[in-house]
Amino acid sequence: KQEVTQIPAALSVPEGENLVLNCSFTDSAIYNLQWFRQDPGKGLTSLLLIQSSQREQTSGRLNASLDKSSGRSTLYIAASQPGDSATYLCAVNNAGNMLTFGGGTRLMVKP
Amino acid sequence: KAGVTQTPRYLIKTRGQQVTLSCSPISGHRSVSWYQQTPGQGLQFLFEYFSETQRNKGNFPGRFSGRQFSNSRSEMNVSTLELGDSALYLCASSLDEVGQETQYFGPGTRLLVL
Repeated sequence: KQEVTQIPAALSVPEGENLVLNCSFTDSAIYNLQWFRQDPGKGLTSLLLIQSSQREQTSGRLNASLDKSSGRSTLYIAASQPGDSATYLCAVNNAGNMLTFGGGTRLMVKP
Repeated sequence: KAGVTQTPRYLIKTRGQQVTLSCSPISGHRSVSWYQQTPGQGLQFLFEYFSETQRNKGNFPGRFSGRQFSNSRSEMNVSTLELGDSALYLCASSLDEVGQETQYFGPGTRLLVL
C-alpha cells in the first residue's frame, strides 16, 4: 500500500526566501507525481506534474524534482511571496487516476 | 474552457439521511474521480469512473456509491449519513484513462452532518 509523507507539516518564512518542500513515497512503481496548492476552504490547484520518466519540471518560480528510485520529490519555491501562503500537497499516481496524497505542508510567507 | 464544477457547494444534513453530490468535468474529459477530505484523515480516494464504468474504488463502506453518465457528468451518493461523513468532497477530472495526464479538481462540496 502506497504511503506518502510530507515534511515539514508547517513552515513560516519571511518574504523573499527560497524554500524547499519535501515529499516521500514508499512504492516507487508510480505513473507520475503531482504537486497541488490548496487555499483555505477551497479546491486543489494543480502546480506541476512529473511523469515517472522525468527528473524535474519547472513553472515560473516553481521547480519540482523526482527521484523515483529513492521515493522522493521536492518542490522548490524561489523568492517566496505572501501570495504563496497556502497548503501544498503532493500526490502519487500508482494506478489509473487514483491519487494517494501526503498530509500537506502548510506554508506561511510573512511580509 | 470551463473548469470542473460541483454542486451544491454547501450542504447540511442530519444523521440517517442520504445525499447526492454532482460533478461536471472539464469538456472532453472522460475520467472523474472523487475524494473525501477531513482534518483527521486528509485526502482519501473514494472511486474513479471512466466511460461510465467504475475502475477503481477506495476503502470506504458501501454507503458510498457513485455513477457516471454518458456525458461524463458524475454523481456520488452517501446513504444513511453519519457524523463522520462531514467533510469536503472533491471531484477531479482527467483527459485519459491511463493516468498520464494532469488531474483538475473542482471547488468541492462541503457537507455537514448534524
